Amino acid sequence: AQKITQTQPGMFVQEKEAVTLDCTYDTSDPSYGLFWYKQPSSGEMIFLIYQGSYDQQNATEGRYSLNFQKARKSANLVISASQLGDSAMYFCAMREGNFGNEKLTFGTGTRLTIIP
Amino acid sequence: GAGVSQTPSNKVTEKGKYVELRCDPISGHTALYWYRQSLGQGPEFLIYFQGTGAADDSGLPNDRFFAVRPEGSVSTLKIQRTERGDSAVYLCASSSFVDDIQYFGAGTRLSVL
Repeated sequence: AQKITQTQPGMFVQEKEAVTLDCTYDTSDPSYGLFWYKQPSSGEMIFLIYQGSYDQQNATEGRYSLNFQKARKSANLVISASQLGDSAMYFCAMREGNFGNEKLTFGTGTRLTIIP
Repeated sequence: GAGVSQTPSNKVTEKGKYVELRCDPISGHTALYWYRQSLGQGPEFLIYFQGTGAADDSGLPNDRFFAVRPEGSVSTLKIQRTERGDSAVYLCASSSFVDDIQYFGAGTRLSVL
């Protein structure tokens, strides 16, 4: 089974609208971390937001929020008030274990295009 | 700059040649990671260093791939007898125990002709 599943290969969203990028995960480890990265056409992976498995509240970072539903094993990224500069590939990733500094497993990504 | 630096940004080589890819992590970061990203895919883990030692090299595809980090800072990924299937973007990341976030470099695009 895939550890990280991103079911939306591509999305088109009107500028200023909110957008939700889906991510489901699979792990039997009770301690894990979930990450979202943005990859523009330049290629660099830019960290956006992190959610720990024991965190009680959903993570937020500016216009980014993570809709964490532990029972459903989903960690969707919500971008509010989308901007043209949000057009990029978005990757969901998971770290299993609680020791920190462990490898990340990535999904296949979602290509987001913001339409003016 | 203060970010992760990778050189070269692009490398073109011929099948069978040896290549070295360099990664300079964020100053003070003790952990360093190498990933490989093929076209249309997410990054795949190759190897992880904690200090000078490889803590997990389970992602290295075969013995043609090797990485070192002799002084616990800069790391070099070495690929022997390159094959066309090695063509990909090789990404390096580093992290500290402070926030456990992996910060990535811009990658090295390797093309094996």
